[in-house]
Amino acid sequence: QKEVEQNSGPLSVPEGAIASLNCTYSDRGSQSFFWYRQYSGKSPELIMFIYSNGDKEDGRFTAQLNKASQYVSLLIRDSQPSDSATYLCAVKDDKIIFGKGTRLHILP
Amino acid sequence: EAGVAQSPRYKIIEKRQSVAFWCNPISGHATLYWYQQILGQGPKLLIQFQNNGVVDDSQLPKDRFSAERLKGVDSTLKIQPAKLEDSAVYLCASSPTPAGEKLFFGSGTQLSVL
Repeated sequence: QKEVEQNSGPLSVPEGAIASLNCTYSDRGSQSFFWYRQYSGKSPELIMFIYSNGDKEDGRFTAQLNKASQYVSLLIRDSQPSDSATYLCAVKDDKIIFGKGTRLHILP
Repeated sequence: EAGVAQSPRYKIIEKRQSVAFWCNPISGHATLYWYQQILGQGPKLLIQFQNNGVVDDSQLPKDRFSAERLKGVDSTLKIQPAKLEDSAVYLCASSPTPAGEKLFFGSGTQLSVL
């Protein structure tokens, strides 16, 4: 069974620091990788996607993909209290599979 | 641009009762998904539609769940009869591409089965 694994957290990071969120996946055929942010009581919102090995930067967010290690990560620079949320890693081959999410708490 | 619309926002029923959820995707989005999200877990795909055809319903408990998407726009998801373990948030999402690369979620329906 295809799986996406994330540490459930909570991950506590001081304001202004770099938050590092990690995800591993089981299906080597996976082609597309996504990070969704979900605030408590709200629905998921796409914040980053990456298809190729390496880094992809968008503002304070950087997604990193290593297909050989079946590993994808999300870095959040200059963390803000508004970044406190659950971050869901999603992986797509024939369908999109979500991890359980990592709760991130930014400490003011 | 209007987002994905879902109703109702909350629903409380007793076990063995039936319930239905409605979704209207973003205009022009051909791909529509229903996900179930149990508290503390990630969304789990129940069914995927491409226009009004089913692409994937492998994880839909077909003995009690059904879904349809008439005319390739609105969709309804029904549970009959409901069980306690069906308590979850039911999320509808749509995508502008057939491959479903990026999902836009509605606000969800929170179902409590007592």
